Amino acid sequence: DTGVSQDPRHKITKRGQNVTFRCDPISEHNRLYWYRQTLGQGPEFLTYFQNEAQLEKSRLLSDRFSAERPKGSFSTLEIQRTEQGDSAMYLCASSSTTSSVSPFGPGTRLTVT
Amino acid sequence: DQQVKQNSPSLSVQEGRISILNCDYTNSMFDYFLWYKKYPAEGPTFLISISSIKDKNEDGRFTVFLNKSAKHLSLHIVPSQPGDSAVYFCAAIEWNSGNTPLVFGKGTRLSVIA
Repeated sequence: DTGVSQDPRHKITKRGQNVTFRCDPISEHNRLYWYRQTLGQGPEFLTYFQNEAQLEKSRLLSDRFSAERPKGSFSTLEIQRTEQGDSAMYLCASSSTTSSVSPFGPGTRLTVT
Repeated sequence: DQQVKQNSPSLSVQEGRISILNCDYTNSMFDYFLWYKKYPAEGPTFLISISSIKDKNEDGRFTVFLNKSAKHLSLHIVPSQPGDSAVYFCAAIEWNSGNTPLVFGKGTRLSVIA
């Protein structure tokens, strides 16, 4: 297992377009987390899944954001009608229910022009 | 409200000396603390952690100290090496209450000068 992977690594889009990111967690991990990091800030929690169930959503996750984990394996994060304020690094992490350590993926850098 | 605070945005240390990175928290429900290291354009990498039932955890050159009464923890790196230059994030979770998303500080940029 090579760890948490994310695709794409970079995405440049025009304001108003929709974008979708993918995260593949470590295979035996049943928890999957999405975070967002902007310049000068630490990662901020967006949402997390245990298996296919979305257990918690941050108030940062506006109605333009939706996340899914349909089969309890990979997850997608979609942003509709992107805004310049959505420009950030989107990070995915996974963990098991018995471990407090969440390895992170390399992130997807989104730039909205 | 910033539940995890890293009040020093940057720190410069000479190679071979000790680096001390500090972190304060306000939520008394936090019971597990982690340090992550981040290079530009990469995701954070787990470094070391400590449970609230301990006051010290050591792993090679890295030691984390926890002072629960002061709601303060620190990461010591001895000796510091140029490859340690990165942004260090302190994070906390409410592990025993099942509230597992990490809450991060804003980070401290460490520069180790050769």
